[in-house]
Amino acid sequence: KQEVTQIPAALSVPEGENLVLNCSFTDSAIYNLQWFRQDPGKGLTSLLLIQSSQREQTSGRLNASLDKSSGRSTLYIAASQPGDSATYLCAVPGGGADGLTFGKGTHLIIQP
Amino acid sequence: DTAVSQTPKYLVTQMGNDKSIKCEQNLGHDTMYWYKQDSKKFLKIMFSYNNKELIINETVPNRFSPKSPDKAHLNLHINSLELGDSAVYFCASSPWGDTEAFFGQGTRLTVV
Repeated sequence: KQEVTQIPAALSVPEGENLVLNCSFTDSAIYNLQWFRQDPGKGLTSLLLIQSSQREQTSGRLNASLDKSSGRSTLYIAASQPGDSATYLCAVPGGGADGLTFGKGTHLIIQP
Repeated sequence: DTAVSQTPKYLVTQMGNDKSIKCEQNLGHDTMYWYKQDSKKFLKIMFSYNNKELIINETVPNRFSPKSPDKAHLNLHINSLELGDSAVYFCASSPWGDTEAFFGQGTRLTVV
């Protein structure tokens, strides 16, 4: 059974810092990996999707990497801003229509 | 245009009542899902539907029943509501065979 772990559970840093969020998964036979952002009381916004054949995916100040063999992904946020404060979730599909298995998220606070 | 929309956004109801949450997607996706986010913010898959056929049911009480009138809609019916059903319920959709998922804004259900 797939399990997803995210480290750290919470992170508070001053504005402007570059930071890395970590995600690990137990079953490396994945089709892709998806990073989401959730703001308090809001839904999930898809940030990046990395296909299993890719090693990196970039969107603006966000860069996600994937190492299938080691069961790890990282989300790199450059030049953090207070508006980046949110919970970041990592998820991998179960295959077919089995839906996504989520980590418990990293609660990020960027201090102005 | 909202890709995945849920109604209502908030639902407060008494124990023992029966309620429904509606979900619609305009992305033309073949697969739709319901997820539950508990009080600890952990997201877990409840159901997935592909072409109006239930694919999985993750040990959810049979008081919960998904109903899909067509490919664009997946409604969640809950009978005999219990206090423990209080949570945020998210609808999502994805193309079959490519599990990039798109989520609705969530329905916060409070059972009193």
